[in-house]
Amino acid sequence: AQSVTQLDSQVPVFEEAPVELRCNYSSSVSVYLFWYVQYPNQGLQLLLKYLSGSTLVKGINGFEAEFNKSQTSFHLRKPSVHISDTAEYFCALYNQGGKLIFGQGTELSVKP
Amino acid sequence: DTGVSQNPRHKITKRGQNVTFRCDPISEHNRLYWYRQTLGQGPEFLTYFQNEAQLEKSRLLSDRFSAERPKGSFSTLEIQRTEQGDSAMYLCASSSRSGGAHEQFFGPGTRLTVL
Repeated sequence: AQSVTQLDSQVPVFEEAPVELRCNYSSSVSVYLFWYVQYPNQGLQLLLKYLSGSTLVKGINGFEAEFNKSQTSFHLRKPSVHISDTAEYFCALYNQGGKLIFGQGTELSVKP
Repeated sequence: DTGVSQNPRHKITKRGQNVTFRCDPISEHNRLYWYRQTLGQGPEFLTYFQNEAQLEKSRLLSDRFSAERPKGSFSTLEIQRTEQGDSAMYLCASSSRSGGAHEQFFGPGTRLTVL
């Protein structure tokens, strides 16, 4: 069975500090991987995606993620966070059957 | 292109009542998905349509839940005899044939509270 595990439920960080949100996945077949962001009372917005090719993918708002097949990880990073990055972040994999499988989410809290 | 829209945004109901939610996908997106998100959790897949056809239903979709997409455009999700455990955010997403089924665009969600 395919699954996604986000290793941190909450990540507090000071403004302008770097941040890494960790995501591990489990799948016996090749996958597409995604990071979504959810602001309070809103839907999900796609940050970035890995389909194939370069293992380092860049997304919106200065975020990037690295696909590591041997470690089955897809960690999200940003070198310098802003207050406006405070939100819930979800890692997801695309099941070839048509659905997205999400992790439990990581709440990023950026403090001044 | 106005994105995926969902109505209502919030719904409060009493246990035992029926509720219906509507989702309007991005125009000409052939696939439409429903997900449920409970507090502190990631979204969980419920069902999806390709045009009018409902292609997959999750085990989460009990007999009290029914979804339709009669003309391959908007979709409705109905919950009969609501229970407190149905309280959640119901998210709709759509994807296009050209963009790929993996690239799903989400609506703002309908938050259901069952008292």
